[in-house]
Amino acid sequence: DAKTTQPPSMDCAEGRAANLPCNHSTISGNEYVYWYRQIHSQGPQYIIHGLKNNETNEMASLIITEDRKSSTLILPHATLRDTAVYYCTYKAAGNKLTFGGGTRVLVKP
Amino acid sequence: GAVVSQHPSWVICKSGTSVKIECRSLDFQATTMFWYRQFPKQSLMLMATSNEGSKATYEQGVEKDKFLINHASLTLSTLTVTSAHPEDSSFYICSAREAGTGMNEQYFGPGTRLTVT
Repeated sequence: DAKTTQPPSMDCAEGRAANLPCNHSTISGNEYVYWYRQIHSQGPQYIIHGLKNNETNEMASLIITEDRKSSTLILPHATLRDTAVYYCTYKAAGNKLTFGGGTRVLVKP
Repeated sequence: GAVVSQHPSWVICKSGTSVKIECRSLDFQATTMFWYRQFPKQSLMLMATSNEGSKATYEQGVEKDKFLINHASLTLSTLTVTSAHPEDSSFYICSAREAGTGMNEQYFGPGTRLTVT
């Protein structure tokens, strides 16, 4: 299974940036890092993915360290609707996504 | 694009009965679909991988005779929970991987909440 380590929970102030770290020291050189989030009682929602370079889209930015052993998801201006569990993952053997515990993010007004 | 639907969104059934959950890729073809299960306050646990036209591959500890998976077309996979028991009550989520794209992205459905009484 793909092994990632994330802090279990994090609070963030509305309107501020939220920086979510993830360690993935066992990732192989050609595997992408994926970030998903899950709002209560819904299916996971894709956020962003990356290989080596930093990536940005309309939802977030992804910073990947040069050794690729960790990454940080940045929500630039957190809103109350960003409250969710955020998962960082990569594909394990068999080209399938498996999920660790994720980070429960609570955005506070 | 890349929308995955599930039906039903929630179901309540009696112990001993069977329940079928459908997963459909609405605007793309999916050669591979995945079934996950999620208990309250826990992460998603991968149950099985299904490939169109072939038998599903189950993760260790998942009973293949209890959780029957059929992937008969490129847009539909079904999960049947046979002889359901209260401990099978969970949130079942499917995902589909789009065929023919280099990235092999997985798109997730909204989930089906099963309650066995």
